[in-house]
Amino acid sequence: AQTVTQSQPEMSVQEAETVTLSCTYDTSENNYYLFWYKQPPSRQMILVIRQEAYKQQNATENRFSVNFQKAAKSFSLKISDSQLGDTAMYFCAFMKPYNNNDMRFGAGTRLTVKP
Amino acid sequence: GAVVSQHPSWVICKSGTSVKIECRSLDFQATTMFWYRQFPKQSLMLMATSNEGSKATYEQGVEKDKFLINHASLTLSTLTVTSAHPEDSSFYICSARDRGGWSYEQYFGPGTRLTVT
Repeated sequence: AQTVTQSQPEMSVQEAETVTLSCTYDTSENNYYLFWYKQPPSRQMILVIRQEAYKQQNATENRFSVNFQKAAKSFSLKISDSQLGDTAMYFCAFMKPYNNNDMRFGAGTRLTVKP
Repeated sequence: GAVVSQHPSWVICKSGTSVKIECRSLDFQATTMFWYRQFPKQSLMLMATSNEGSKATYEQGVEKDKFLINHASLTLSTLTVTSAHPEDSSFYICSARDRGGWSYEQYFGPGTRLTVT
């Protein structure tokens, strides 16, 4: 079974600074997908960024980028120029590209951006 | 596009009664829908996967007779919590996979907060 580990239960960052959230996973698969989701107080899950394991290039979406280290099974999220609206729970997720594509989530990191 | 709705957003029911939660894909057809449960300050736990027209696949430890899932159409899946008890109080989230879009994208509903008194 795939497991996803987020070792930082809580983090804080000053507005405009950069913060990195960690995620590691365990799998024997070679092909899979990784995601970072944001869950603000409204509890609506919002896709931040996704990475296909077969792509060596790290995904980027505006201020959000990942550091994908396949051999190390590591998938960290970097948020640049942090904004107050980035305050939320962040979940790392793993998905296999078959068997219904169900998604497994890490425990989450609560990020607080301080003014 | 790719909007998923849930109804109701919040429900209170008495212990022993049943409650139904609807999950709809509003602007796309969903071949597969997923149901998650989230306890306060915890992560999402997959409860079951439902494919249109077939029986749901439940995760280990999830009582299929207690959490009835029906995926009768490509835009609607329902979760019925039968004989609810206070320990069933939780936040329930559904997600749906777009049959016509990027194969592995899941779109999440806004969630339903269930309180059993």
